[in-house]
Amino acid sequence: GENVEQHPSTLSVQEGDSAVIKCTYSDSASNYFPWYKQELGKRPQLIIDIRSNVGEKKDQRIAVTLNKTAKHFSLHITETQPEDSAVYFCAAKYPSNYQLIWGAGTKLIIKP
Amino acid sequence: DAGVIQSPRHEVTEMGQEVTLRCKPISGHNSLFWYRQTMMRGLELLIYFNNNVPIDDSGMPEDRFSAKMPNASFSTLKIQPSEPRDSAVYFCASSLALGAQLTEAFFGQGTRLTVV
Repeated sequence: GENVEQHPSTLSVQEGDSAVIKCTYSDSASNYFPWYKQELGKRPQLIIDIRSNVGEKKDQRIAVTLNKTAKHFSLHITETQPEDSAVYFCAAKYPSNYQLIWGAGTKLIIKP
Repeated sequence: DAGVIQSPRHEVTEMGQEVTLRCKPISGHNSLFWYRQTMMRGLELLIYFNNNVPIDDSGMPEDRFSAKMPNASFSTLKIQPSEPRDSAVYFCASSLALGAQLTEAFFGQGTRLTVV
């Protein structure tokens, strides 16, 4: 079955710097890759997603890149701000059903 | 739409008691997911339904856990009997599955369960 690995588990960056979180997946047929942000004590919320027919997608300070050959996708946050501090989860959609396979999460800490 | 609605928000119960968690998905969504989140194990999928039918319940930890979806607007997750290790935040999420595509999954606010 599908497996998603996420790195790093914790990432600390200076405010204003960029942050990159990487995920790899095992099933080359996976076709949907969302990223969720979960603030402390709150629910996970979608911040950006990408489908397998696209290599990159941007939304203001957030971008996601997908490398289908290498089977990995990354979240890029530029000009980080204190409100970016949260746990970020990647996921991949298993192609034969509607189940999302989740990464273990990355705790992003923005240092003032 | 008010989003995915879960109840209760918090539940404290004694070991051995039955616990029922409830979820109302977003109207029009045809897929519903139950997740459990703990510090140790992260976000775990317990079961998911498509068009009210359970598709994959391999994540349900043991027979003490059961889930139902009697109609498109309501689902329950039941634990009987509850144990302290069941303490976690339980999330319900819903999305719209169109053919082979899946749209954004919206999460409820979660139920924080504490079994003492």
